[in-house]
Amino acid sequence: AQSVTQLDSQVPVFEEAPVELRCNYSSSVSVYLFWYVQYPNQGLQLLLKYLSGSTLVKGINGFEAEFNKSQTSFHLRKPSVHISDTAEYFCAVSSQYNFNKFYFGSGTKLNVKP
Amino acid sequence: NAGVTQTPKFQVLKTGQSMTLQCAQDMNHNSMYWYRQDPGMGLRLIYYSASEGTTDKGEVPNGYNVSRLNKREFSLRLESAAPSQTSVYFCASSGQETEAFFGQGTRLTVV
Repeated sequence: AQSVTQLDSQVPVFEEAPVELRCNYSSSVSVYLFWYVQYPNQGLQLLLKYLSGSTLVKGINGFEAEFNKSQTSFHLRKPSVHISDTAEYFCAVSSQYNFNKFYFGSGTKLNVKP
Repeated sequence: NAGVTQTPKFQVLKTGQSMTLQCAQDMNHNSMYWYRQDPGMGLRLIYYSASEGTTDKGEVPNGYNVSRLNKREFSLRLESAAPSQTSVYFCASSGQETEAFFGQGTRLTVV
């Protein structure tokens, strides 16, 4: 089975500063990786996904993530955050043998301060 | 564009009561899921259905049952609610090698 670890439960950052949200996964087979965002009292919305190809993936709202197979990581980055980026972010993984079974991390709350 | 629709949005139950959470998707997806979200624990898979007529247990199935009524609908039933089942429940669906699409959630409180 796969598993996901999000190393930071909360990340405070000032507006216009860069941010990195960390995600590490565990799997014995090839994986597919996802980042979702959840705004208060809403469902989860896909930010970006890695299925194959380029290891640098660009998503919505200026976010990007890099798949690093040797470090089993898929960290999410944004060069300059806005107040509106305040939300909870979830990393998720599925595998080549069961694409449609998704495992989620515990989430990272990003708090952007003015 | 409805996507994934869950009902109800909020519910308060007394311990021992039963209820069914409803979920429907209009994206013609084969796979559907029920997750629960608890603070600090992320989303944990309760049950999933890879296709119409099949269901499988996830990480935390105890105390729940599911029914894949047809391709569109996937319901979650609590037969005898317990305070430990107080949570936010999310239904999701996915197609062939697509990401999961989520509903808006059901906030359930068991007192």
